[in-house]
Amino acid sequence: GAGVSQSPRYKVAKRGQDVALRCDPISGHVSLFWYQQALGQGPEFLTYFQNEAQLDKSGLPSDRFFAERPEGSVSTLKIQRTQQEDSAVYLCASSLQDPNYGYTFGSGTRLTVV
Amino acid sequence: QQQVKQSPQSLIVQKGGISIINCAYENTAFDYFPWYQQFPGKGPALLIAIRPDVSEKKEGRFTISFNKSAKQFSLHIMDSQPGDSATYFCAASIEGGATNKLIFGTGTLLAVQP
Repeated sequence: GAGVSQSPRYKVAKRGQDVALRCDPISGHVSLFWYQQALGQGPEFLTYFQNEAQLDKSGLPSDRFFAERPEGSVSTLKIQRTQQEDSAVYLCASSLQDPNYGYTFGSGTRLTVV
Repeated sequence: QQQVKQSPQSLIVQKGGISIINCAYENTAFDYFPWYQQFPGKGPALLIAIRPDVSEKKEGRFTISFNKSAKQFSLHIMDSQPGDSATYFCAASIEGGATNKLIFGTGTLLAVQP
């Protein structure tokens, strides 16, 4: 597709459930980022991949958060034992290896933990 | 630790007026300063960006002014239109860094009244 595709668009999880969020980046984009955007806030960095290598996971808030990109294209962000504070929009972005052209963000997955 | 401070939180401008949003940063290693526009239910989209070797960059109705010594930069939207109503985020990153992750401000909700 022409843009970054994320699924599902909306996810409601009961506290304690595990969730998996998918990101399909623009074809050929080497770099892939995950951001978390709380209501009324700016996006906050979670993790970064270059191809299949996870080069930075410093933003992951706890060991309940795990991301992978096994073949260097599609990425999955997994949250185990979800908590209410995990409720947010999770944004995926991709860019060419040279991000001077800026990221392209997907529309995000809105996660609500009840 | 908030490294990019953005103001105002919200802004109402009449059609045809000038919208001004300000940001200040702390980390002098930052060398790439983009502005993103976000509509409800969508991911942020790159609007315009500047690097510290210039003090101003203009693209159409959008201008970034950059003051390196004050560690401040601002977005000016000339001839504001109702279609410009959105949330605007400033951001900063270190282009030569390991990840090029963006540090976002908290956002400005702009409403342009017809």
